[in-house]
Amino acid sequence: KAGVTQTPRYLIKTRGQQVTLSCSPISGHRSVSWYQQTPGQGLQFLFEYFSETQRNKGNFPGRFSGRQFSNSRSEMNVSTLELGDSALYLCASSLRTTNEQFFGPGTRLTVL
Amino acid sequence: AQSVTQLGSHVSVSEGALVLLRCNYSSSVPPYLFWYVQYPNQGLQLLLKYTSAATLVKGINGFEAEFKKSETSFHLTKPSAHMSDAAEYFCAVRTSNTGNQFYFGTGTSLTVIP
Repeated sequence: KAGVTQTPRYLIKTRGQQVTLSCSPISGHRSVSWYQQTPGQGLQFLFEYFSETQRNKGNFPGRFSGRQFSNSRSEMNVSTLELGDSALYLCASSLRTTNEQFFGPGTRLTVL
Repeated sequence: AQSVTQLGSHVSVSEGALVLLRCNYSSSVPPYLFWYVQYPNQGLQLLLKYTSAATLVKGINGFEAEFKKSETSFHLTKPSAHMSDAAEYFCAVRTSNTGNQFYFGTGTSLTVIP
């Protein structure tokens, strides 16, 4: 069974631009969570989707948004990029909302 | 509120020595606890999990962790360190009253000295 896939793996953008990251969960998994990982802040929870509905949201500004499609694939969007948005963005999926999460390799976003 | 504290952001051990990575949690309800490992430029991989069954949990690569409710701890151990164990380790907690939201510790970077 294929693992969690994230595209693209690397991305370079400039301040003010917007970006969309994609996550395909493990087949059959309906819960998808997103995290931002930076050296100074560690892993910070962005949001979680289950069956196309946002169930939890972390403490991030409204520039960060996400959605989930009927096939459980998820996208997150960051508008008006700032230098501080440079990070590794991790996606994780789980079978139900009560099981462990399986992580993708991440998308490395660099904002110049 | 749930939180996780990992004592020691950097730990160094000699190859063949005991590995001990500390994790303490706070939770108002019985927790689910996890240890993840992250190798450079990769995502997180589940090492082991505690879900209210046996308090001593065995994971992959020879790691194990013991849930101690009285100490609110879930420390990760491995009897003999291997060079390939060098990585970042994260402890995480999830509880029934927070849905599927995980709370991660800040991580411990393990260095193995040959």
